[in-house]
Amino acid sequence: DVKVTQSSRYLVKRTGEKVFLECVQDMDHENMFWYRQDPGLGLRLIYFSYDVKMKEKGDIPEGYSVSREKKERFSLILESASTNQTSMYLCASCGAGAADTQYFGPGTRLTVL
Amino acid sequence: QKEVEQNSGPLSVPEGAIASLNCTYSDRGSQSFFWYRQYSGKSPELIMFIYSNGDKEDGRFTAQLNKASQYVSLLIRDSQPSDSATYLCAVNEDSSASKIIFGSGTRLSIRP
Repeated sequence: DVKVTQSSRYLVKRTGEKVFLECVQDMDHENMFWYRQDPGLGLRLIYFSYDVKMKEKGDIPEGYSVSREKKERFSLILESASTNQTSMYLCASCGAGAADTQYFGPGTRLTVL
Repeated sequence: QKEVEQNSGPLSVPEGAIASLNCTYSDRGSQSFFWYRQYSGKSPELIMFIYSNGDKEDGRFTAQLNKASQYVSLLIRDSQPSDSATYLCAVNEDSSASKIIFGSGTRLSIRP
């Protein structure tokens, strides 16, 4: 079974803090993704990575950065957290094929006060 | 802007009936189509994928794809209360699986 884990289920931070969200997958997947999910807005792609040290911006990259130093690990960084970044953050991974599906981690609910 | 559209619901269906969920997409070149189920407070989990025109059945679930009309649907037969969840339609817009576009989901409620 594919396993995608995220470092925290719940996180509370203050405005201006630097926040690290980590994601680890154990299936040797090439692709990894960070999404945020908000009521009424669905899943929105922040960044994705198709290989180690490679990254591409998604639909809403502003205020975020990412790091992929190892194939199994993909980190999302909020350089200076703001209240509008309060959200559910979901990591996913998948293989490189066109029919490959994305497997999601359990999510991190981040609250920025 | 490439889009995947779903009716947000809620769709209320009596227990034992067929639930029908629909999704339309804008990119005619889309290749693969997925249905995810998401329970409240949980992450999405894949229940079906389809990439050829026609029907694909898996237990109580049937996915239907019509590329000419650019829609994909999910039928749930013999609906159970445990099927109550939000269903996300997702479309792979290219051949590399590097980017999948998700619809905003349809909330399904099965009433006993």
